[in-house]
Formats: sequence, C-alpha cells, structure tokens
Amino acid sequence: KAGVTQTPRYLIKTRGQQVTLSCSPISGHRSVSWYQQTPGQGLQFLFEYFSETQRNKGNFPGRFSGRQFSNSRSEMNVSTLELGDSALYLCASSLVPGQGLAGANVLTFGAGSRLTVL
Amino acid sequence: SQQGEEDPQALSIQEGENATMNCSYKTSINNLQWYRQNSGRGLVHLILIRSNEREKHSGRLRVTLDTSKKSSSLLITASRAADTASYFCAPDGSGGGADGLTFGKGTHLIIQP
Repeated sequence: KAGVTQTPRYLIKTRGQQVTLSCSPISGHRSVSWYQQTPGQGLQFLFEYFSETQRNKGNFPGRFSGRQFSNSRSEMNVSTLELGDSALYLCASSLVPGQGLAGANVLTFGAGSRLTVL
Repeated sequence: SQQGEEDPQALSIQEGENATMNCSYKTSINNLQWYRQNSGRGLVHLILIRSNEREKHSGRLRVTLDTSKKSSSLLITASRAADTASYFCAPDGSGGGADGLTFGKGTHLIIQP
C-alpha cells in the first residue's frame, strides 16, 4: 500500500512568487491535513480537508489556501511568498475523521515538501 | 483542538539507557497520541492511549496517561541509536477528529553510542 506522497520534495522560490504543493493520500483515506514546520515555530496546523471541504483552519493569513479534489488528492498554495514561509510543509492523511481506530484521528504523514524562499 | 507541550525540549542519553519524555495538555481529551519524526522527515505514529486507559505498551514503548494531572509520559526502554529523533504528543480532545490534531515543539532525543 503506497504511503502519502508529496510533491515536489524540494523547491526554491523568490519573494513575491507563489507556490503550489501537492499531496496524494493513502488509498481509501479521505481526510487530508497540512502542517508547516519551522525551527522557530515548530509544527503548526494549516488546514484540514474532507470530502473536498475545508473542515478546520489554523491561524495563517489568507495567502495560504488549499483545496481537495474528488479523488481526495489535495493541493496547497502560498501566494506572495515571504522569507518566513521557508519551511517544511507536511501533509497527513487519515480515514474518515472520527472513524479511524474507533474514533481516533490517526495521521499518516508524507515526507514533506521543503520550501526555501530567497 | 489543543496543543500538547513536551518536556524536556532536548534529551541526550547513552545507548541502552531508558528515555522518558513528558507531555502536558490543558483540557479534557478523548485520546492522546505520540509521534516520532526523524530529521527532516514526516511524523510517524507510535502509539495511542485513550482517556480511559492508564498505561499502554508497544514493544519498547510504554505510555502512561494521568487525566487528573492532564499529563502523559512516553518511556523508551533500552534505547538504540535509531531512536534518535524528535517526539511529539498530540492530545485529541475532539471525540474523534472534529478539529485538526496539533503538536507542540517536541522533545529532541539524542542517543549517544
């Protein structure tokens, strides 16, 4: 069974550009969550999607957006990149929220997309 | 959703010793999970303990939960170099995923040969 696949693994952008990251969840998983990890702030929750709908959103500006497709694949987009957006972006998938492991939301993470903004 | 706080921030021990890290949280939970992250990689789920459980084992891992103190601990016995990683707790207070899981800054564990 293939794991969570994130593309691209590494990318370099310049300030003001935009970036789109992709996440393919484990087959059968319908919920996808996104996280940003930086040395200073740690692991921060961005948003969660289920059935093409955003269920939860973390405390990030509107430059950060995402979407989920009917096949559960998800993309996140960051517009007008800033230096502080340099981070490891992690995607995680889970079964239907609330129905994994009898009610627990257990996440399977991808390897991440490392974004460097110059 | 609430964030757990791991303690200590960093821990360095000799191979073969036991490693203990702690997690504190603020509100009631349905379950609490522990994850491991090797350098620069994604997190891996280690173990889940439910609010009605006090202790759980998985291989060399032992997790305890004290809901009255709102705290959990993760014990790794007979540590190995491969255990070097960051460890995160994730308290889930939503009854099964109504909110996104959030994580603290983790405990960075270094196992010295």
